[in-house]
Amino acid sequence: SQQGEEDPQALSIQEGENATMNCSYKTSINNLQWYRQNSGRGLVHLILIRSNEREKHSGRLRVTLDTSKKSSSLLITASRAADTASYFCATLGSSNTGKLIFGQGTTLQVKP
Amino acid sequence: DAGVTQSPTHLIKTRGQQVTLRCSPKSGHDTVSWYQQALGQGPQFIFQYYEEEERQRGNFPDRFSGHQFPNYSSELNVNALLLGDSALYLCASSLLAGLWNEQFFGPGTRLTVL
Repeated sequence: SQQGEEDPQALSIQEGENATMNCSYKTSINNLQWYRQNSGRGLVHLILIRSNEREKHSGRLRVTLDTSKKSSSLLITASRAADTASYFCATLGSSNTGKLIFGQGTTLQVKP
Repeated sequence: DAGVTQSPTHLIKTRGQQVTLRCSPKSGHDTVSWYQQALGQGPQFIFQYYEEEERQRGNFPDRFSGHQFPNYSSELNVNALLLGDSALYLCASSLLAGLWNEQFFGPGTRLTVL
């Protein structure tokens, strides 16, 4: 079963605009990770945010985590056509068993 | 430094057959996890191997089994294939001792069951 929900399920924007994706989860976590997947291929690790962190940046990516609301958001700034992909959040439980639980993903289309 | 590799890339089988998928972890990693991703869904955890033992298992039937070799590579075996087993199978490697368990994924094996 999936851990939580991702919102929106699909997002279409113009190049240069910002894209925001949200993820909610149900149980306490050790960390939350964001992945990108192009056309049903392998997952590319984007960023990991720990349960004691509130915000993290990596290049054009900004991730926030609100453990009180059990939610996270991924912001991609100044989007490019190459950012077109599906984005997944995945949580690692607080017991740190190594099992990642994924959301259903957000499909992002960036139009040139 | 090679990342996670998987073979084969694509596979077509018929119902009732058996299949073996292979994974080589990223250099320096000792733990391999397998995930099943149905079309339009997020990946679902099948099981994880460390020190050649199954460390944890998701909600998958016994038809799904695995193995880890001394060089940390791993196999996923699925017996008595069903149409519903058609999916992208992803392997992820990590370092068990890594505090935050960051997992790196391979390109996947696309299995089609006819």
